[in-house]
Amino acid sequence: SQQGEEDPQALSIQEGENATMNCSYKTSINNLQWYRQNSGRGLVHLILIRSNEREKHSGRLRVTLDTSKKSSSLLITASRAADTASYFCATFQGGSEKLVFGKGTKLTVNP
Amino acid sequence: DVKVTQSSRYLVKRTGEKVFLECVQDMDHENMFWYRQDPGLGLRLIYFSYDVKMKEKGDIPEGYSVSREKKERFSLILESASTNQTSMYLCASIPIPNTEAFFGQGTRLTVV
Repeated sequence: SQQGEEDPQALSIQEGENATMNCSYKTSINNLQWYRQNSGRGLVHLILIRSNEREKHSGRLRVTLDTSKKSSSLLITASRAADTASYFCATFQGGSEKLVFGKGTKLTVNP
Repeated sequence: DVKVTQSSRYLVKRTGEKVFLECVQDMDHENMFWYRQDPGLGLRLIYFSYDVKMKEKGDIPEGYSVSREKKERFSLILESASTNQTSMYLCASIPIPNTEAFFGQGTRLTVV
């Protein structure tokens, strides 16, 4: 079963706008991670937020985590055409070593 | 830099063939994973391994097996390839549990 479910499935914005993607998960977690995938390539790790953290920043990325709602959001500020990609959240299911991903959000940033 | 290498970018095989997909990592990582990715379904976990010769089933293990004889190498085996196994296959490794994963470039397998 997939642990994370991203929302929306697809998002199209203009360059310079902010993009927000959401992720919901089902079981307890130690951390939640976000990954990026350019078309037809492998995934690249973006950011990891631990279960005792509420917010984390990395450059233009801001991640929040609400363990009471079992949800996370990824905000990309001042988006660029180069941010066009699919974004996935991932968790270790129920504290196990099994890393599971959601279905992803496909982001298109129009120049 | 961590390098996770999958043996092929593109592969075409015939129905019924035994297919081997190889994945090698060069950083002494403990855990390795095989996923398949299909449009609209995201990444689904096939098998993972947390040590040499140790493996656990993921969410969709049917029709697949794996082998991890050496720490750096994790092989995915399609015992008898079928057209519904046409997909993108992604390998990943993790240095220790609960840390970030490093992915290979993916193998796009077509079974005809």
